[in-house]
Amino acid sequence: DIQMTQSPSSLSASVGDRVIITCRASQSITTYLNWYQQKLGQAPKLLIHAASTLQSGVPSRFSGSGSGTDFTLTITSLQPDDFATYYCQQSYNTPYTFGHGTKLEIK
Amino acid sequence: QVRLQESGPGLVKPSQTLSLTCSVSRGSVSSGDYYWNWIRQPAGQGLEWIGRISTTGDTNYNPSLKSRVTISLDTSKNQFSLKVNSMTAADTAVYYCVRGLLPNPTFDSWGQGTLVIVSS
Repeated sequence: DIQMTQSPSSLSASVGDRVIITCRASQSITTYLNWYQQKLGQAPKLLIHAASTLQSGVPSRFSGSGSGTDFTLTITSLQPDDFATYYCQQSYNTPYTFGHGTKLEIK
Repeated sequence: QVRLQESGPGLVKPSQTLSLTCSVSRGSVSSGDYYWNWIRQPAGQGLEWIGRISTTGDTNYNPSLKSRVTISLDTSKNQFSLKVNSMTAADTAVYYCVRGLLPNPTFDSWGQGTLVIVSS
């Protein structure tokens, strides 16, 4: 199985800040990397697919980059609605696997 | 916009079989470039992919659960289903049905999730 390692596991930030979450795959997954946002009590929501393609309807303050084994999710100018848990997920091969999540909290 | 809705028992006894159904509306389980997936999440933990079924009925399962899992498609009802046998407390989780958009599945539409507790 491909292991996905996210860092940090938690992060405190303020409204207006820029934050970066990283995700590392245990082997190359080219750009088969997706990012999800999950709020408490809700299902995850797709933010970015294929490492850098913004899902329709997702604000442009979210962006993704990377290829191979190292990826980042960047959120510029944090908004109150952005405080949630973020997961990366590889869709390179089965079993599809997720990172353990990064919980973004208000400072 | 496709909608997915899980249904099934919220409580299962140890060693019993879990059966969940996902009803799909505003879309068809038998057409399009999709796989239909089940994903679960224990309380306070991360996400685990259980398995998937294609629009033609081909299946893939997570090896961690493979021997206990069956996913099936019911095109007449526009549903797909999950069965997990020999349930234990470790299977207690929120179970999601999820659409995966091909070619390399992106999980673009999720059901609201259903909590399954394994307890006697």
